[in-house]
Amino acid sequence: QKEVEQDPGPLSVPEGAIVSLNCTYSNSAFQYFMWYRQYSRKGPELLMYTYSSGNKEDGRFTAQVDKSSKYISLFIRDSQPSDSATYLCAIDDYKLSFGAGTTVTVRA
Amino acid sequence: EAGVAQSPRYKIIEKRQSVAFWCNPISGHATLYWYQQILGQGPKLLIQFQNNGVVDDSQLPKDRFSAERLKGVDSTLKIQPAKLEDSAVYLCASSLAGEEEKLFFGSGTQLSVL
Repeated sequence: QKEVEQDPGPLSVPEGAIVSLNCTYSNSAFQYFMWYRQYSRKGPELLMYTYSSGNKEDGRFTAQVDKSSKYISLFIRDSQPSDSATYLCAIDDYKLSFGAGTTVTVRA
Repeated sequence: EAGVAQSPRYKIIEKRQSVAFWCNPISGHATLYWYQQILGQGPKLLIQFQNNGVVDDSQLPKDRFSAERLKGVDSTLKIQPAKLEDSAVYLCASSLAGEEEKLFFGSGTQLSVL
């Protein structure tokens, strides 16, 4: 069983829509949860970082962690074409384990 | 602040040839990582250095892959001999000591093995 599983997508949404991205993980001991954004032909960049359960908001981005369900989510409000990228969830168990990524396209 | 520098950006080789990738991390970052990202997959850790020392190389295919980090700064990853399944993007990342969840990635080297 993989440590983290991510909805494969791809997702295509119109500009202004809410984007919802999800991952599940296997080990309930994980404490740190990250979302990275990767543009085409670029390395991933850290977008959101949360510790333990709850919500974290940063501008149009909201990260949620539900430890009871071992489920993490990223929401993008008022999506823009510049949000078109691959989004990778990651968990920290002394080393980062990444999901496979979900490619999002925001249509103008 | 300069980011993580990697070279070359692209490399095409034939199987059984050797290849080397170079990485210069962000100044002051003690921890350096090499990741392999196969098309359609998330990055997979190959090796992690803390200064000069290896912290984790459990997923490095040591029969063909090697890596070094001299003087705790630059690092080189080598593949010898290359196989078709080594075709991937090789990403270097760095982080501050104690902040290993906050990685800064380079743009990677796209390797094609023919």
